[in-house]
Amino acid sequence: DTEVTQTPKHLVMGMTNKKSLKCEQHMGHRAMYWYKQKAKKPPELMFVYSYEKLSINESVPSRFSPECPNSSLLNLHLHALQPEDSALYLCASSQDFQRGVTPYEQYFGPGTRLTVT
Amino acid sequence: EDKVVQSPLSLVVHEGDTVTLNCSYEVTNFRSLLWYKQEKKAPTFLFMLTSSGIEKKSGRLSSILDKKELFSILNITATQTGDSAIYLCAPRNTDKLIFGTGTRLQVFP
Repeated sequence: DTEVTQTPKHLVMGMTNKKSLKCEQHMGHRAMYWYKQKAKKPPELMFVYSYEKLSINESVPSRFSPECPNSSLLNLHLHALQPEDSALYLCASSQDFQRGVTPYEQYFGPGTRLTVT
Repeated sequence: EDKVVQSPLSLVVHEGDTVTLNCSYEVTNFRSLLWYKQEKKAPTFLFMLTSSGIEKKSGRLSSILDKKELFSILNITATQTGDSAIYLCAPRNTDKLIFGTGTRLQVFP
């Protein structure tokens, strides 16, 4: 089973709203990732969590706030977003994440299509 | 700065054709290279390559890595309409995957 699930599938929010994106995996993976993908562009890494601790923040604006309540769950809290934040938000997981050590393949969820109005 | 270039950008073929997708990279602290297929939503993992010259195969798909010349190719034989997708190459450094812009493959009956 290589399934990563994400909810909701679609989200429309105003610039003053607060919402959250959720991601879940039951593969026993210890690393989880958030990516942002704009139309016709490749995914861009936002955050990496390893063993429930934030390992990488790719200089993402503070209006995006990640949270990893446990090793199976990853949230992305959204507040005061801008229309240019509209994109497909992808979650991924991998068996482990260790800088510079054995590489592991990442498995992606189906994404949440976010529209900010 | 890390760089990943995929070619061609777009490819249109008929069912049954064989295609070769190219990925060249310049990545500091290279660790591995991954190929993904992306249809409407999530990228689907295809291959991870870590060693030069060892071909990985899965059905009609195969891929190989050349760490000396810094490129990888993805071959698809006997293409089918279900192969229509964007194929993403993603070398990994010590921290993260660096995605190329992809090759859009369209297979017509």
